Amino acid sequence: EPEVTQTPSHQVTQMGQEVILRCVPISNHLYFYWYRQILGQKVEFLVSFYNNEISEKSEIFDDQFSVERPDGSNFTLKIRSTKLEDSAMYFCASSLAGGDSDTQYFGPGTRLTVL
Amino acid sequence: AQSVAQPEDQVNVAEGNPLTVKCTYSVSGNPYLFWYVQYPNRGLQFLLKYITGDNLVKGSYGFEAEFNKSQTSFHLKKPSALVSDSALYFCAVRDGGTGRRALTFGSGTRLQVQP
Repeated sequence: EPEVTQTPSHQVTQMGQEVILRCVPISNHLYFYWYRQILGQKVEFLVSFYNNEISEKSEIFDDQFSVERPDGSNFTLKIRSTKLEDSAMYFCASSLAGGDSDTQYFGPGTRLTVL
Repeated sequence: AQSVAQPEDQVNVAEGNPLTVKCTYSVSGNPYLFWYVQYPNRGLQFLLKYITGDNLVKGSYGFEAEFNKSQTSFHLKKPSALVSDSALYFCAVRDGGTGRRALTFGSGTRLQVQP
């Protein structure tokens, strides 16, 4: 069964550094998403991406965040200058065509620790 | 705005007994409802969804959920619990028909099935 994969599984960085989290969505999916879960809190939507542009973003997704699909398989989340409060589990998801009833399938997550 | 409430942080049930994990929601339009399960060190796995049609939805691993519009609930159920069902369960909602794809998640309910 096809799965969403994410690398690395755990990333440790210093405050102020840039990080790039990588995801490989399910191959025939067209919509891509990032969510995050701060320890002990809810899973929160960050951004959705379709046809090489952002289709929706939350208030959390400010100027320090960016997303990119650099090639036909990868989908990345970049955090330009990390803050302590960016420490969280980041989940990538994809859905087939973005139709109303589409299911989002999630990857295993990247745990980001900012020191 | 859309929201989800999972009133129980933890549910304990004996193996072989029926289980219920509660979820209530709030959306301004049509609710599209989802259940996901998270095992340790794994991502969010899709269990089932309600978009339209029969109020009783059947999903993976013998789980089902009942949509109740008047009570704005979407409780997850299983007739006979297994120890292997022990995990963290998340309910999520989208406002259908708006074009927005962001899922709003509940805080999660930890299911503990005792042998």
